[in-house]
Amino acid sequence: NAGVTQTPKFRILKIGQSMTLQCTQDMNHNYMYWYRQDPGMGLKLIYYSVGAGITDKGEVPNGYNVSRSTTEDFPLRLELAAPSQTSVYFCASSYLTQTQYFGPGTRLLVL
Amino acid sequence: AQTVTQSQPEMSVQEAETVTLSCTYDTSESNYYLFWYKQPPSRQMILVIRQEAYKQQNATENRFSVNFQKAAKSFSLKISDSQLGDTAMYFCAFILPGANSKLTFGKGITLSVRP
Repeated sequence: NAGVTQTPKFRILKIGQSMTLQCTQDMNHNYMYWYRQDPGMGLKLIYYSVGAGITDKGEVPNGYNVSRSTTEDFPLRLELAAPSQTSVYFCASSYLTQTQYFGPGTRLLVL
Repeated sequence: AQTVTQSQPEMSVQEAETVTLSCTYDTSESNYYLFWYKQPPSRQMILVIRQEAYKQQNATENRFSVNFQKAAKSFSLKISDSQLGDTAMYFCAFILPGANSKLTFGKGITLSVRP
């Protein structure tokens, strides 16, 4: 089992550009999540999904979009990148709402 | 709304000694889950230990154990025989069971293990 994988590991974006952060899990978990972590802070929930075709907003959804067409994949789309979106992004998955397992993170820098 | 408080921003411990990291939480629910996650400099979020609120017995994982005080809403992590590899940021987290429940994190504590 690879667990939760994320690509890319690091990316630099220019203001106004768009990109998709990829997340895949091979644990057959129904729940998947996207978090962002700003320097020196805890994690804040951006979006989550309770199963294929079902997504919902978290605490800080503005500027992001998600889709969940399969159990395994949960991509996060950034439209019109802004400096405020400079952060480390974590994808996580869980079986029901129990223990969440995290990917290695994607570091994003918007200049 | 649930809240998780980690009031110590950083701690330091000598290698091979024991250290306790504090966490308090606030909820009106009786059934929930508590976690400690470790984030080393690599930034990977690693599950350290988990506690179900309905279990009276404190969870233990090798050198890591918790002191779960449900009435006081306290959930501290004890690290015994500290190792250099324990140097990391540690996050306490809380979640209710059920669909649409969110994992709530504390702000974290930076632990440094001195050689």
